Amino acid sequence: NAGVTQTPKFQVLKTGQSMTLQCAQDMNHEYMSWYRQDPGMGLRLIHYSVGAGITDQGEVPNGYNVSRSTTEDFPLRLLSAAPSQTSVYFCASSYSKRTGNNEQFFGPGTRLTVL
Amino acid sequence: QQQVKQSPQSLIVQKGGIPIINCAYENTAFDYFPWYQQFPGKGPALLIAIRPDVSEKKEGRFTISFNKSAKQFSLHIMDSQPGDSATYFCAASMEWGAQKLVFGQGTRLTINP
Repeated sequence: NAGVTQTPKFQVLKTGQSMTLQCAQDMNHEYMSWYRQDPGMGLRLIHYSVGAGITDQGEVPNGYNVSRSTTEDFPLRLLSAAPSQTSVYFCASSYSKRTGNNEQFFGPGTRLTVL
Repeated sequence: QQQVKQSPQSLIVQKGGIPIINCAYENTAFDYFPWYQQFPGKGPALLIAIRPDVSEKKEGRFTISFNKSAKQFSLHIMDSQPGDSATYFCAASMEWGAQKLVFGQGTRLTINP
């Protein structure tokens, strides 16, 4: 299993540009989440999904959109990038119906810089 | 509003010492408390987790101590090694909301040889 994969690894955007961060998992997990990590602030939840077609907001959702059309994929869209969105973004997945395991697995991250 | 407060921000310990990282939470509805380890350039990885019906949990050299009345929990690393040098995060969530983790600020741990 590849686990949780994220692309790209690095991205530089100009203010106002839009882009999509990709996330995929191959563990048949029901739940997927997006976090951002900023120095001295830990990780903060942006959006999460408990299944295909179901998404909800986390702690810091403004400026981001998500959708979950399949169980495997959970892309994060930046609508109009701002310097405040410069961060490292982590996708995570958890909960296997087959095993009942609720451990959350994280991807390797995308480092985004907005100029 | 920081629902989970972690200290210290950084910690340096000699090899073989016992680093201790502390966390305090506010929301009494939390009942799942994991610790994550993160190496530079990598995503966090689950190290050990505890639920509030026990006061201590050990896995190898890692121990969580939990004090429900004080709303505090801590991570102890026994016989620390240079390979334990990493950033450690505590977190909390309601049990079946484990995908909605609230993280502490992180502790950068350095184990000197």
